[in-house]
Amino acid sequence: EDQVTQSPEALRLQEGESSSLNCSYTVSGLRGLFWYRQDPGKGPEFLFTLYSAGEEKEKERLKATLTKKESFLHITAPKPEDSATYLCAVQDYGGSQGNLIFGKGTKLSVKP
Amino acid sequence: DAGVTQSPTHLIKTRGQHVTLRCSPISGHKSVSWYQQVLGQGPQFIFQYYEKEERGRGNFPDRFSARQFPNYSSELNVNALLLGDSALYLCASTGPSAYEQYFGPGTRLTVT
Repeated sequence: EDQVTQSPEALRLQEGESSSLNCSYTVSGLRGLFWYRQDPGKGPEFLFTLYSAGEEKEKERLKATLTKKESFLHITAPKPEDSATYLCAVQDYGGSQGNLIFGKGTKLSVKP
Repeated sequence: DAGVTQSPTHLIKTRGQHVTLRCSPISGHKSVSWYQQVLGQGPQFIFQYYEKEERGRGNFPDRFSARQFPNYSSELNVNALLLGDSALYLCASTGPSAYEQYFGPGTRLTVT
Protein backbone atom coordinates (compact mmCIF):
# COMPACT_ATOMS: atom_id res chain seq x y z
CA GLU A 1 0.00 0.00 0.00
CA ASP A 2 1.29 3.44 -0.94
CA GLN A 3 2.23 5.55 2.08
CA VAL A 4 3.62 9.00 2.76
CA THR A 5 4.99 10.00 6.17
CA GLN A 6 6.09 13.51 6.99
CA SER A 7 8.23 14.62 9.91
CA PRO A 8 8.26 16.48 12.12
CA GLU A 9 4.55 17.16 12.58
CA ALA A 10 5.34 20.68 13.73
CA LEU A 11 8.48 22.82 13.59
CA ARG A 12 9.15 26.15 15.25
CA LEU A 13 12.06 28.21 13.95
CA GLN A 14 13.46 31.63 14.63
CA GLU A 15 13.72 33.91 11.65
CA GLY A 16 16.95 33.07 9.82
CA GLU A 17 17.29 29.60 11.38
CA SER A 18 17.61 27.10 8.52
CA SER A 19 16.14 23.59 8.76
CA SER A 20 14.75 20.66 6.76
CA LEU A 21 11.41 18.89 6.49
CA ASN A 22 11.30 15.18 5.70
CA CYS A 23 8.93 13.15 3.54
CA SER A 24 9.41 9.39 3.39
CA TYR A 25 7.36 7.38 0.95
CA THR A 26 6.50 3.87 -0.14
CA VAL A 27 5.15 3.32 -3.64
CA SER A 28 5.38 0.51 -6.14
CA GLY A 29 6.48 2.88 -8.90
CA LEU A 30 7.03 6.61 -8.41
CA ARG A 31 5.56 8.77 -11.15
CA GLY A 32 6.28 11.99 -9.24
CA LEU A 33 6.71 13.55 -5.80
CA PHE A 34 5.06 16.89 -5.13
CA TRP A 35 5.50 19.59 -2.50
CA TYR A 36 2.70 22.00 -1.65
CA ARG A 37 2.33 24.88 0.78
CA GLN A 38 -1.04 25.34 2.50
CA ASP A 39 -2.14 28.35 4.51
CA PRO A 40 -4.98 27.91 7.05
CA GLY A 41 -8.38 27.49 5.38
CA LYS A 42 -6.89 27.75 1.88
CA GLY A 43 -6.18 25.29 -0.92
CA PRO A 44 -2.66 23.84 -1.32
CA GLU A 45 -0.27 25.95 -3.41
CA PHE A 46 1.99 24.01 -5.78
CA LEU A 47 5.72 24.35 -5.09
CA PHE A 48 7.74 21.57 -6.77
CA THR A 49 7.59 18.31 -8.69
CA LEU A 50 10.45 15.80 -8.49
CA TYR A 51 10.54 12.78 -10.76
CA SER A 52 13.74 10.84 -10.14
CA ALA A 53 16.30 10.23 -7.42
CA GLY A 54 19.03 12.84 -7.34
CA GLU A 55 16.79 15.58 -8.70
CA GLU A 56 16.79 18.97 -6.96
CA LYS A 57 14.65 22.07 -7.42
CA GLU A 58 14.88 25.53 -5.86
CA LYS A 59 12.53 28.45 -5.39
CA GLU A 60 13.58 31.43 -3.32
CA ARG A 61 14.43 30.11 0.17
CA LEU A 62 13.17 26.58 -0.56
CA LYS A 63 15.07 23.65 -2.03
CA ALA A 64 13.58 20.19 -2.59
CA THR A 65 15.63 17.03 -3.04
CA LEU A 66 14.68 13.43 -3.79
CA THR A 67 16.15 10.01 -3.04
CA LYS A 68 14.64 6.59 -3.70
CA LYS A 69 12.92 6.55 -0.31
CA GLU A 70 12.50 10.14 0.82
CA SER A 71 12.44 13.78 -0.06
CA PHE A 72 13.65 16.80 1.88
CA LEU A 73 12.41 20.36 1.77
CA HIS A 74 15.26 22.59 2.91
CA ILE A 75 14.36 26.07 4.14
CA THR A 76 17.25 28.53 4.19
CA ALA A 77 17.06 31.65 6.38
CA PRO A 78 13.26 31.45 6.77
CA LYS A 79 11.07 34.50 7.25
CA PRO A 80 7.76 34.76 9.17
CA GLU A 81 5.88 34.70 5.86
CA ASP A 82 7.15 31.15 5.30
CA SER A 83 4.90 30.00 8.15
CA ALA A 84 2.43 27.47 6.72
CA THR A 85 1.75 23.74 6.52
CA TYR A 86 3.94 21.99 3.96
CA LEU A 87 2.41 18.95 2.30
CA CYS A 88 4.20 16.17 0.47
CA ALA A 89 2.36 13.94 -2.02
CA VAL A 90 3.27 11.08 -4.36
CA GLN A 91 1.74 9.73 -7.51
CA ASP A 92 2.05 6.02 -8.24
CA TYR A 93 2.29 4.65 -11.76
CA GLY A 94 -0.29 2.07 -10.71
CA GLY A 95 -2.89 4.67 -9.77
CA SER A 96 -4.91 7.13 -11.81
CA GLN A 97 -3.05 10.23 -12.87
CA GLY A 98 -5.32 12.35 -10.71
CA ASN A 99 -4.66 10.43 -7.53
CA LEU A 100 -2.15 12.14 -5.27
CA ILE A 101 -1.39 10.41 -1.97
CA PHE A 102 -0.67 13.01 0.67
CA GLY A 103 1.13 12.97 3.98
CA LYS A 104 -0.34 14.76 6.98
CA GLY A 105 1.95 17.72 6.56
CA THR A 106 4.49 19.63 8.63
CA LYS A 107 3.25 22.80 10.29
CA LEU A 108 6.04 25.37 10.17
CA SER A 109 6.05 28.45 12.41
CA VAL A 110 8.74 31.09 11.94
CA LYS A 111 9.05 33.67 14.71
CA PRO A 112 10.60 37.09 14.12
CA ASP B 1 -5.04 34.10 -15.68
CA ALA B 2 -7.77 32.79 -13.45
CA GLY B 3 -6.86 29.84 -11.30
CA VAL B 4 -9.15 27.03 -10.22
CA THR B 5 -12.41 28.41 -8.85
CA GLN B 6 -14.81 26.70 -6.48
CA SER B 7 -18.25 27.54 -5.19
CA PRO B 8 -19.64 28.02 -2.68
CA THR B 9 -16.89 29.08 -0.26
CA HIS B 10 -18.72 27.88 2.83
CA LEU B 11 -21.76 25.70 3.33
CA ILE B 12 -23.71 24.52 6.35
CA LYS B 13 -25.98 21.50 5.96
CA THR B 14 -27.98 19.22 8.21
CA ARG B 15 -27.47 15.45 8.52
CA GLY B 16 -29.35 13.58 5.81
CA GLN B 17 -29.36 16.45 3.34
CA HIS B 18 -27.75 16.55 -0.08
CA VAL B 19 -25.02 18.95 -1.25
CA THR B 20 -23.55 19.97 -4.63
CA LEU B 21 -20.12 21.56 -4.89
CA ARG B 22 -18.85 23.18 -8.07
CA CYS B 23 -15.43 23.63 -9.66
CA SER B 24 -14.07 25.37 -12.73
CA PRO B 25 -10.57 24.32 -13.83
CA ILE B 26 -7.80 26.50 -15.18
CA SER B 27 -8.47 27.46 -18.78
CA GLY B 28 -7.08 24.75 -21.07
CA HIS B 29 -7.05 22.07 -18.37
CA LYS B 30 -9.24 19.07 -19.13
CA SER B 31 -8.71 17.01 -15.98
CA VAL B 32 -10.35 17.68 -12.64
CA SER B 33 -9.76 15.84 -9.37
CA TRP B 34 -11.68 16.10 -6.10
CA TYR B 35 -10.19 15.71 -2.61
CA GLN B 36 -11.54 15.74 0.93
CA GLN B 37 -9.40 17.27 3.68
CA VAL B 38 -10.43 16.89 7.30
CA LEU B 39 -8.76 19.03 9.94
CA GLY B 40 -5.18 18.02 10.68
CA GLN B 41 -4.94 15.56 7.77
CA GLY B 42 -3.67 15.70 4.22
CA PRO B 43 -6.15 15.76 1.33
CA GLN B 44 -7.68 12.40 0.42
CA PHE B 45 -8.50 11.54 -3.19
CA ILE B 46 -12.19 11.14 -4.10
CA PHE B 47 -12.51 11.26 -7.92
CA GLN B 48 -10.69 12.16 -11.10
CA TYR B 49 -12.42 13.13 -14.35
CA TYR B 50 -10.82 13.62 -17.73
CA GLU B 51 -12.70 14.60 -20.86
CA LYS B 52 -16.00 13.97 -19.01
CA GLU B 53 -15.09 10.40 -18.08
CA GLU B 54 -14.27 9.04 -14.64
CA ARG B 55 -10.61 8.03 -14.59
CA GLY B 56 -10.18 7.23 -10.92
CA ARG B 57 -12.11 6.77 -7.71
CA GLY B 58 -10.87 6.77 -4.13
CA ASN B 59 -12.16 4.81 -1.17
CA PHE B 60 -15.37 6.74 -0.59
CA PRO B 61 -18.96 5.41 -0.28
CA ASP B 62 -21.48 5.54 -3.11
CA ARG B 63 -23.06 8.59 -1.46
CA PHE B 64 -20.31 10.51 -3.22
CA SER B 65 -20.67 11.09 -6.97
CA ALA B 66 -19.32 13.53 -9.50
CA ARG B 67 -19.56 14.53 -13.11
CA GLN B 68 -17.73 16.73 -15.61
CA PHE B 69 -19.39 18.96 -18.16
CA PRO B 70 -18.42 19.74 -21.79
CA ASN B 71 -16.73 22.97 -20.63
CA TYR B 72 -14.61 20.82 -18.23
CA SER B 73 -16.21 22.24 -15.09
CA SER B 74 -17.23 19.67 -12.53
CA GLU B 75 -19.70 18.98 -9.75
CA LEU B 76 -19.26 16.85 -6.64
CA ASN B 77 -22.48 15.54 -5.10
CA VAL B 78 -22.83 14.06 -1.65
CA ASN B 79 -26.10 12.44 -0.55
CA ALA B 80 -27.38 11.58 2.92
CA LEU B 81 -24.82 13.78 4.65
CA LEU B 82 -23.16 12.52 7.83
CA LEU B 83 -21.40 14.54 10.52
CA GLY B 84 -18.15 12.95 9.35
CA ASP B 85 -18.54 14.56 5.93
CA SER B 86 -17.61 17.90 7.48
CA ALA B 87 -14.37 18.89 5.75
CA LEU B 88 -12.65 21.16 3.25
CA TYR B 89 -13.45 19.89 -0.26
CA LEU B 90 -10.75 20.68 -2.76
CA CYS B 91 -10.80 20.64 -6.52
CA ALA B 92 -7.60 20.43 -8.57
CA SER B 93 -7.00 20.72 -12.30
CA THR B 94 -4.21 19.24 -14.38
CA GLY B 95 -2.92 20.40 -17.73
CA PRO B 96 -2.38 18.15 -20.73
CA SER B 97 1.40 17.99 -20.60
CA ALA B 98 2.29 17.72 -16.94
CA TYR B 99 1.38 15.89 -13.79
CA GLU B 100 1.18 18.92 -11.48
CA GLN B 101 -2.23 19.51 -9.93
CA TYR B 102 -3.30 23.06 -9.14
CA PHE B 103 -5.80 23.41 -6.34
CA GLY B 104 -8.70 25.77 -5.86
CA PRO B 105 -9.46 27.56 -2.58
CA GLY B 106 -11.82 24.81 -1.45
CA THR B 107 -15.36 24.64 -0.13
CA ARG B 108 -15.73 24.37 3.64
CA LEU B 109 -18.67 22.05 4.38
CA THR B 110 -20.07 21.84 7.88
CA VAL B 111 -22.69 19.18 8.64
CA THR B 112 -24.72 19.70 11.82
